[in-house]
Amino acid sequence: RKEVEQDPGPFNVPEGATVAFNCTYSNSASQSFFWYRQDCRKEPKLLMSVYSSGNEDGRFTAQLNRASQYISLLIRDSKLSDSATYLCVVNGRDNNDMRFGAGTRLTVKP
Amino acid sequence: DAMVIQNPRYQVTQFGKPVTLSCSQTLNHNVMYWYQQKSSQAPKLLFHYYDKDFNNEADTPDNFQSRRPNTSFCFLDIRSPGLGDAAMYLCATSRRSSSTDTQYFGPGTRLTVL
Repeated sequence: RKEVEQDPGPFNVPEGATVAFNCTYSNSASQSFFWYRQDCRKEPKLLMSVYSSGNEDGRFTAQLNRASQYISLLIRDSKLSDSATYLCVVNGRDNNDMRFGAGTRLTVKP
Repeated sequence: DAMVIQNPRYQVTQFGKPVTLSCSQTLNHNVMYWYQQKSSQAPKLLFHYYDKDFNNEADTPDNFQSRRPNTSFCFLDIRSPGLGDAAMYLCATSRRSSSTDTQYFGPGTRLTVL
């Protein structure tokens, strides 16, 4: 079983749609959780952190469920510019334990 | 304004010919990381430096080496590239090795092995 698993997609949605991604992790001792965004052939960039019960930043909401060991990302009112791959990242005790999921690809269409 | 710089952005090498990838940072961060990312796969951590302390991932092949001559620079040396080493190589930095610290990535070097 992979340490961090994501649905690879692709998710193809129209502008304005709401879309949700899930991510599961295997290490119950994991303490920090992040969503990164990666555009095609570019580097990953931090989208948002998820520290406790969840996090909201504008159109983006991240939730953490420790009991079931998954986190989710909800994007409301999708924009064309949201098209990217979304990487779920789970840390252990130290940053060097950072484990990436393979990413979920999102395409927002006009 | 670039904070993590990688050179070159694209590197072509021949099978077995040593290659060095470069990373520099203007953030004065303590920690520097090297990741390998193949197409449609997750970035895979190769190793990292906390200041001068080198930390190798257990499954990183011996073919990959790294040097950090000072705070700002870190190099990835691939001694004998194979076809399977073709990938995007990402350098990242963080202020300290803490699970709450954000990692900042460079734009990557795409390596092609002929």
